[in-house]
Amino acid sequence: EAGVAQSPRYKIIEKRQSVAFWCNPISGHATLYWYQQILGQGPKLLIQFQNNGVVDDSQLPKDRFSAERLKGVDSTLKIQPAKLEDSAVYLCASSWGSQGNGYTFGSGTRLTVV
Amino acid sequence: RKEVEQDPGPFNVPEGATVAFNCTYSNSASQSFFWYRQDCRKEPKLLMSVYSSGNEDGRFTAQLNRASQYISLLIRDSKLSDSATYLCVVNPGSWGKFQFGAGTQVVVTP
Repeated sequence: EAGVAQSPRYKIIEKRQSVAFWCNPISGHATLYWYQQILGQGPKLLIQFQNNGVVDDSQLPKDRFSAERLKGVDSTLKIQPAKLEDSAVYLCASSWGSQGNGYTFGSGTRLTVV
Repeated sequence: RKEVEQDPGPFNVPEGATVAFNCTYSNSASQSFFWYRQDCRKEPKLLMSVYSSGNEDGRFTAQLNRASQYISLLIRDSKLSDSATYLCVVNPGSWGKFQFGAGTQVVVTP
């Protein structure tokens, strides 16, 4: 079974620039999650999709972050404009159930904002 | 108070020794619990689920104490390869919204 695919693996941008990350979940997984993990902290949920609908985006900084999952499969997360404090690893995870069944993470995108 | 709290460590453990650490959670209605392992610069990976009766997987034993709202992980006969950060994960029961602790770092030394 192919895992959760994410790209790019690394990204370095200047503050105020924009950046986008891509995630392709495990085939058949209806639920997709984006997490932000700052160095030394646990992952923090940014947004959760059930198919192509948003279940929870309460911790997404909506003034600069956006995410979509138009066809209920792959997803993109965008930051515009980026701030220094956005430097983190952005992890995508997917599960086949709404209760987190078969929860699997991708390898993440490491973002550095300079 | 954080929803999930862990001692960040590091726990420095001689190879072959036993190490144990806890994780406390604030939501008494939480329904499921997990331990994830995260190696340096890698994604978290499921180590084991934690059941009410306690469960064991080889050298790893997980316990749940609902009355005191904590879960524990014990590693016996530590190996160098056990060096990692162990993340406590709590599912409060709503839509798979996992809550992660900040992790406990374990360093196994020769």
